[in-house]
Amino acid sequence: EILMTQSPATLSVSPGEGATLSCRASQSVNSNLAWYQQKPGQAPRLLIYGASTRATGIPAGFSGSGSGTEFTLTISSLQSEDFAVYYCQQYNNWPLTFGGGTKVEI
Amino acid sequence: EVQLVESGGGLVQPGGSLRLSCAASGFTFSSCWMGWVRQTPGKGLEWVANIDQDGSEKYYVDSVKGRFTISRDNAKNSLYLEMNGLRADDTGVYYCARRGVVTVFDHWGQGILVTVSS
Repeated sequence: EILMTQSPATLSVSPGEGATLSCRASQSVNSNLAWYQQKPGQAPRLLIYGASTRATGIPAGFSGSGSGTEFTLTISSLQSEDFAVYYCQQYNNWPLTFGGGTKVEI
Repeated sequence: EVQLVESGGGLVQPGGSLRLSCAASGFTFSSCWMGWVRQTPGKGLEWVANIDQDGSEKYYVDSVKGRFTISRDNAKNSLYLEMNGLRADDTGVYYCARRGVVTVFDHWGQGILVTVSS
């Protein structure tokens, strides 16, 4: 099983500032890495797939990078609606696995 | 608009059974892989199972193998998760999700709560 480790667990940011979230895989997942955003009481929403491709309707302020074992999600300028928990997920191998999440808070 | 609506959750005693259903609409259900993902207090988001378009391929996380069965009825645009031998650590919110053409979960249901407790 591929272990996905996200850091930091919590990130405190002011509105308008940028944020960088990290995700590390215990072995290579190539570019088969997705990022999801989850707000309280809601289901996760797909942000990024293929490590760097924004899903339909996702603003350009969200960008993903990386391959192999090291990945980054960058939010260029945080808006109020961006404060949420962010998860990475690998889909290179069964079982599919998620990271523990990074909470982006004000 | 893609919609996924789960039902069938609730409170069940340890060792009991539940059957979750997911009603799909707004897309060609029979063309898509589907899956179940759960969110538990202990493990966060955890993928549970996937099923291919005609139900011939099924994959499970080890912790549910032999206890849970994923299935689908394309005529009814419905996905199911039969859960037997439920344990306290199966407690959580269960999401039905569509695996889109880019092989990730691109649409999710609102989730249904399963509580395993005596």
